[in-house]
Amino acid sequence: RKEVEQDPGPFNVPEGATVAFNCTYSNSASQSFFWYRQDCRKEPKLLMSVYSSGNEDGRFTAQLNRASQYISLLIRDSKLSDSATYLCVVKRFTSYDKVIFGPGTSLSVIP
Amino acid sequence: ETGVTQSPTHLIKTRGQQVTLRCSSQSGHNTVSWYQQALGQGPQFIFQYYREEENGRGNFPPRFSGLQFPNYSSELNVNALELDDSALYLCASSFGTSQETQYFGPGTRLLVL
Repeated sequence: RKEVEQDPGPFNVPEGATVAFNCTYSNSASQSFFWYRQDCRKEPKLLMSVYSSGNEDGRFTAQLNRASQYISLLIRDSKLSDSATYLCVVKRFTSYDKVIFGPGTSLSVIP
Repeated sequence: ETGVTQSPTHLIKTRGQQVTLRCSSQSGHNTVSWYQQALGQGPQFIFQYYREEENGRGNFPPRFSGLQFPNYSSELNVNALELDDSALYLCASSFGTSQETQYFGPGTRLLVL
């Protein structure tokens, strides 16, 4: 089993729709959580960190459930420009800060 | 733009050859992490360099090696290339080792034939 797993996707949604992505992690020692966005043939870019209390940035809301080892990302009022792959990222400290990326979920927002 | 640059942008090699990829970190950053991203997968951590020393390594064989220079730029070397080494190689720079805020370069696409 992979340490970080995501909905396989792809998600194809119309403009204006609300879409949610799920991510689970297997190591309970995980400490920090992030969502990255990666456009086609581009590098990943940090979208937002995920805090235990949940956090919101405009149309994007991230939630963390440590008991269930589950992270989510909600996108409201989808725009064409939201089309990308969304990567769930988990960090834990071993002898160094170990960063583990999930496989990503592809989103296409359709006119 | 993040200020992190990588060269070359694309590379084609054959099995058994060796390759060197380069990364210039963002100004003020002293840490470089390298990742391998296969098609349809998330990036996988190869190793990290902090102040010219390796500081953490993922599940990659010793034929993957690296260097960091006094100006904090870095190289990734891969010996005895295999077909499965075909991937996008990303470097990310940060200040400090926590990787909380790291900025990725555009990557080098390596194709091994």
